[in-house]
Amino acid sequence: AQSVAQPEDQVNVAEGNPLTVKCTYSVSGNPYLFWYVQYPNRGLQFLLKYITGDNLVKGSYGFEAEFNKSQTSFHLKKPSALVSDSALYFCAVRDRDDYKLSFGAGTTVTVRA
Amino acid sequence: EPEVTQTPSHQVTQMGQEVILRCVPISNHLYFYWYRQILGQKVEFLVSFYNNEISEKSEIFDDQFSVERPDGSNFTLKIRSTKLEDSAMYFCASSVQGFSNQPQHFGDGTRLSIL
Repeated sequence: AQSVAQPEDQVNVAEGNPLTVKCTYSVSGNPYLFWYVQYPNRGLQFLLKYITGDNLVKGSYGFEAEFNKSQTSFHLKKPSALVSDSALYFCAVRDRDDYKLSFGAGTTVTVRA
Repeated sequence: EPEVTQTPSHQVTQMGQEVILRCVPISNHLYFYWYRQILGQKVEFLVSFYNNEISEKSEIFDDQFSVERPDGSNFTLKIRSTKLEDSAMYFCASSVQGFSNQPQHFGDGTRLSIL
């Protein structure tokens, strides 16, 4: 079984400040981890993934995520947030022997000017 | 950049009627998926499809649901006799490979409203 928890429904930050969106996961085997972003009336857009290797992975639009195996976490980060980063963010996990993605409930990020 | 396209964007159907949701996956992708999101709930996996066969399905995907790749480009989800609780946003996704590190790419979804 696999599951994802995003403990914060909402994250509010000022433009230019660092942004962190939290995610913890549970899988029986080795995980593939993903972050997706959803803008209003659009689908889920892939941001970045963790497969293996370096614990810090870089993705689109200046986002990065840090994998921590001991804490089973995969937090999304951006050093300097933009108003255009305001959106709904989903963390997802897939066991390497599985087809399906399991998603967290999503975190709404609001970046104020 | 190639995209997954879904039609229609919004479907309104009477309870008990059949509905078909359509998707055109990215052209070189071989694995196809359907997910749904009931309002206020998590995105949930329904089914994965490869080589004209279901490769995995969730317990949500019961006998009322079916999937098909009727030609070389379309991938469809059929709900035979819709229920009120089928109202949700349905997302189609595709990936180059299944058991791999390649991400699934999603369409913009079809909002299904059952009256």
